[in-house]
Amino acid sequence: EAQVTQNPRYLITVTGKKLTVTCSQNMNHEYMSWYRQDPGLGLRQIYYSMNVEVTDKGDVPEGYKVSRKEKRNFPLILESPSPNQTSLYFCASSFSYQYLGYGYTFGSGTRLTVV
Amino acid sequence: ILNVEQSPQSLHVQEGDSTNFTCSFPSSNFYALHWYRWETAKSPEALFVMTLNGDEKKKGRISATLNTKEGYSYLYIKGSQPEDSATYLCASGGNPWNRDDKIIFGKGTRLHILP
Repeated sequence: EAQVTQNPRYLITVTGKKLTVTCSQNMNHEYMSWYRQDPGLGLRQIYYSMNVEVTDKGDVPEGYKVSRKEKRNFPLILESPSPNQTSLYFCASSFSYQYLGYGYTFGSGTRLTVV
Repeated sequence: ILNVEQSPQSLHVQEGDSTNFTCSFPSSNFYALHWYRWETAKSPEALFVMTLNGDEKKKGRISATLNTKEGYSYLYIKGSQPEDSATYLCASGGNPWNRDDKIIFGKGTRLHILP
């Protein structure tokens, strides 16, 4: 089944403790992206990747890191999480950055709470 | 940076009635518009991707139109059913070859179908 797999679904952590949210897609998609969803705000892009070893900042990149060493994986790293990073996170992928005709496939989301 | 607006924010519709809502986006430098359906506790799923002025897309009882000259898209649902209850997101993007023209999501229209 074509899908984007995110783990974990839920995570409670403490301020400053490094964590990684994994994202993997099995559709050979070039384009992958991380979003966060906060109440009253739309999905905001954190980082994106147009292909292997090509990553770029989105609208809210502060406090996050990503890597794209393989086409299928795009982990989101929080080196020193803070409470303002408490949010619902989505990984998404698309066939190509040139998104004409292609929608995003989203992962199931990760609910992160930083205390 | 694009600004994508959706209205209304929330909508209550009687089962069996038809409804529609709007996505507005800057018409300059338009490239593509996406509609997603986002059910509670799930992840957004792509409904339509539209690129051409005058595009009309249909999937069952749901259809969408696109006016790129005036910068709006309508989503129509005919004969609403309980399973249509969801948040409907639109996203609009500029030139995908321009890294500054990212796809931007609106805040969504939350649709509640009343039995």
